[in-house]
Amino acid sequence: DSGVTQTPKHLITATGQRVTLRCSPRSGDLSVYWYQQSLDQGLQFLIQYYNGEERAKGNILERFSAQQFPDLHSELNLSSLELGDSALYFCASGGVFGYTFGSGTRLTVV
Amino acid sequence: GNSVTQMEGPVTLSEEAFLTINCTYTATGYPSLFWYVQYPGEGLQLLLKATKADDKGSNKGFEATYRKETTSFHLEKGSVQVSDSAVYFCAQGGGTYKYIFGTGTRLKVLA
Repeated sequence: DSGVTQTPKHLITATGQRVTLRCSPRSGDLSVYWYQQSLDQGLQFLIQYYNGEERAKGNILERFSAQQFPDLHSELNLSSLELGDSALYFCASGGVFGYTFGSGTRLTVV
Repeated sequence: GNSVTQMEGPVTLSEEAFLTINCTYTATGYPSLFWYVQYPGEGLQLLLKATKADDKGSNKGFEATYRKETTSFHLEKGSVQVSDSAVYFCAQGGGTYKYIFGTGTRLKVLA
């Protein structure tokens, strides 16, 4: 157990739908990072939150949004899903000494 | 901007062979450097890190040295095992800012 918890582990949904992915960071970590990993594009940085505030934004589509709550857990919302959104979505927490990754949520859009 | 470039895979080796996976970076300042490993069906795990020039990170027989003069952080292991088969990611980062990852190098070790 890395200390970063992601739920659900697997998600299958239809095109056009909306899903929410959840991440609880390691105890004491204030930063949460979201990454998308697809077969042909490696790890793509989506967004970072630090203590509830958005800190950095990467290649995140307008259909996607995220937030970090006062208890530091974070949610990534994906809407109007397309087949191409099928990927592994990873959350990580930490910073100075390295990220700790969760085990990911595998999203399949059918 | 900052970037990380690592060698294309896949890399296929026989058991007990010597491994090198090249990684170079561009950065303003002096970031910390990392190698992460991803085993099939799992998330990324921190393998080793180096926080300043000439530091050597090591773990599980893997080593990498932070070379400022060549802006490199090559991953090496003297004798690979089948269990080392995985995807390896080089990354740079520091503080509470987002990390930049390379595209990953898939390693396959044959018995």
